[in-house]
Amino acid sequence: EVQLVESGGGLVQPGRSLRLSCAASGFTFDDYVMHWVRQVPGKGLEWVSGISWNSLAIGYADSVKGRFTISRDNAKNSLYLQMNSLRPEDTAFYYCVKGTVTKYFDYWGQGSLVSVSS
Amino acid sequence: QSALTQPASMSGSPGQSISISCTGTTSDVGSYNLVSWYQQFPGKAPKLIIYDVSKRPSGVSNHFSGSKSGNTASLTISGLQAEDEADYYCCSYAGSSIYVFGTGTKVTVL
Repeated sequence: EVQLVESGGGLVQPGRSLRLSCAASGFTFDDYVMHWVRQVPGKGLEWVSGISWNSLAIGYADSVKGRFTISRDNAKNSLYLQMNSLRPEDTAFYYCVKGTVTKYFDYWGQGSLVSVSS
Repeated sequence: QSALTQPASMSGSPGQSISISCTGTTSDVGSYNLVSWYQQFPGKAPKLIIYDVSKRPSGVSNHFSGSKSGNTASLTISGLQAEDEADYYCCSYAGSSIYVFGTGTKVTVL
């Protein structure tokens, strides 16, 4: 059974940093692209970032480019999102998502809430 | 990276069919047959219901179907059921490892 478990969320002040982690199991982690997708409570989904199996192909949404960094450790079956210079508008649930060769998202974690507020 | 445009809400009676549109541009929906659709219930993570424009994952009801014409993709729910009441999101690959979601559609079963 595929499991994606996010951790590291919480309350942080504007301008500070936070690092999200995602522990993956139930599939061969280093075979797949992985993503972060976020959702402001009560609002829509926003793709944040994705990373290929070998970390050579990485993409970011314009809204986070230059502030967020995605990475992975295939030996630890883990995905990360380093979030710097956080803004109130970054407040959202952050989902760890497994990607596929044909560019869709087939498994989602339960989400980790990041709240940016003074 | 502008969000794909979906109607904010749609409704129908049980048994009716509805089609949710998802309009993008020549940079995303129009360039790739890589549109997917997700169903989301309140407080839950999204669930994949359509991928590659019109394919259904194993276990997804065949009353969901997808199509695409030009820059617009569509999700059709045939024979609307009470349990279809949820939020629906489209998503398209936009090249260069970039993806874009739709604005989301709240479906109400009357």
